[in-house]
Amino acid sequence: EIVLTQSPGTLSLSPGERATLSCRASQSVSSSYLAWYQQKPGQAPRLLIYGASSRATGIPDRFSGSGSGTDFTLTISRLEPEDFAVYYCQQFDVSWTFGQGTKVEIK
Amino acid sequence: EVQLVESGGVVVQPGGSLRLSCTASGFTFDDYTMHWVRQAPGKGLEWVSLISWDGGSTYYADSVKGRFTISRDNSKNSLYLQMNSLRSEDTALYYCAKSSTSFQLRYNWFDPWGQGTLVTVSS
Repeated sequence: EIVLTQSPGTLSLSPGERATLSCRASQSVSSSYLAWYQQKPGQAPRLLIYGASSRATGIPDRFSGSGSGTDFTLTISRLEPEDFAVYYCQQFDVSWTFGQGTKVEIK
Repeated sequence: EVQLVESGGVVVQPGGSLRLSCTASGFTFDDYTMHWVRQAPGKGLEWVSLISWDGGSTYYADSVKGRFTISRDNSKNSLYLQMNSLRSEDTALYYCAKSSTSFQLRYNWFDPWGQGTLVTVSS
């Protein structure tokens, strides 16, 4: 099983700041098979990024994904109030596993 | 608009059984692999099971293998999860999710997800 480790667990930032979230895999993952989701309280996860760097339909361009191999990053260039949420990475190269999540909270 | 609506979640005793349903609309249901994913209270996401577009292939997480059965009825645009021998650790919000690509079993992300149905296993 591929284990995904996200860091940090919690990120405390102010609106307008840049957020950098990390997702590290226990073994190499094809970048085609890495996705990011956003989950707000009481809501289902929403797809943000697929193929490590492609934005899903309707996702603002302040969200970007990058990385390859075992290290992947989700960047939010300037945090808007609606971006404070929990973010999960997912790999679907070998079965389907998720990271434990990074909570982006208002500082 | 693609919609997924789960139902069937209740409080059940350990060792009991339950069947969850997911009704789909807004897309050609029988073209897509479908998944169940769960989230224990305050915890992260765990993939549970998938079923191919024609029902011919199914896969399970080790944690539920032998206890849960996924199925679908394409004539009713419905996905099911039969859950037997339930344990306290099965307590979670259960989401159904649509695969990203038609007629593809693997290498799919999930989009969209339903709102989930809560299963509580407790005496």
